[in-house]
Amino acid sequence: NAGVTQTPKFRVLKTGQSMTLLCAQDMNHEYMYWYRQDPGMGLRLIHYSVGEGTTAKGEVPDGYNVSRLKKQNFLLGLESAAPSQTSVYFCASSYGGETQYFGPGTRLLVL
Amino acid sequence: AQSVAQPEDQVNVAEGNPLTVKCTYSVSGNPYLFWYVQYPNRGLQFLLKYITGDNLVKGSYGFEAEFNKSQTSFHLKKPSALVSDSALYFCAVRDRQRGSYIPTFGRGTSLIVHP
Repeated sequence: NAGVTQTPKFRVLKTGQSMTLLCAQDMNHEYMYWYRQDPGMGLRLIHYSVGEGTTAKGEVPDGYNVSRLKKQNFLLGLESAAPSQTSVYFCASSYGGETQYFGPGTRLLVL
Repeated sequence: AQSVAQPEDQVNVAEGNPLTVKCTYSVSGNPYLFWYVQYPNRGLQFLLKYITGDNLVKGSYGFEAEFNKSQTSFHLKKPSALVSDSALYFCAVRDRQRGSYIPTFGRGTSLIVHP
């Protein structure tokens, strides 16, 4: 039982490049979330999903897209990376919107 | 709307002394309340939660939290701090009546336990 996994762990991008962050969970959770963590800002919700095939915007969705084609996977895409997207990205999942289980994070540096 | 405040960016305590990390919340209805801990370069880990029932909730690693409805607080406590407790602590709230399953997180409190 791996819980929540994220790939990659670390990535460096140039401004304008695109990439996809992958989150996978093996707990059969309906809810999945993408957050970014910046110093002094706490956790900010980017997008979330309440089930396979459904996604919704969170607090800071601009510049990001997501997809939930399979229940166990939640993908976060950056179409054209900007330096302001330098951050640590966390994925989480939960059953019924209660206790969240977090992945180890992806550190992204946009130059 | 739901919100949560952690009024202290940093808490310093000596090893062996009791510790308190403060959290206050605001919801329209009744709250679900959570504490999470984040060690350096790691994801958040669940510590404890209040759903209903006993106001004193016990969690992992000897931590506990007291739900106080009149003061809208959910402070995290531990009777005797360890150096290994040094980490970033997040309080989160979700409004049960709101019908949303999205919690709101505080900005986090850095706990530093000195040997």
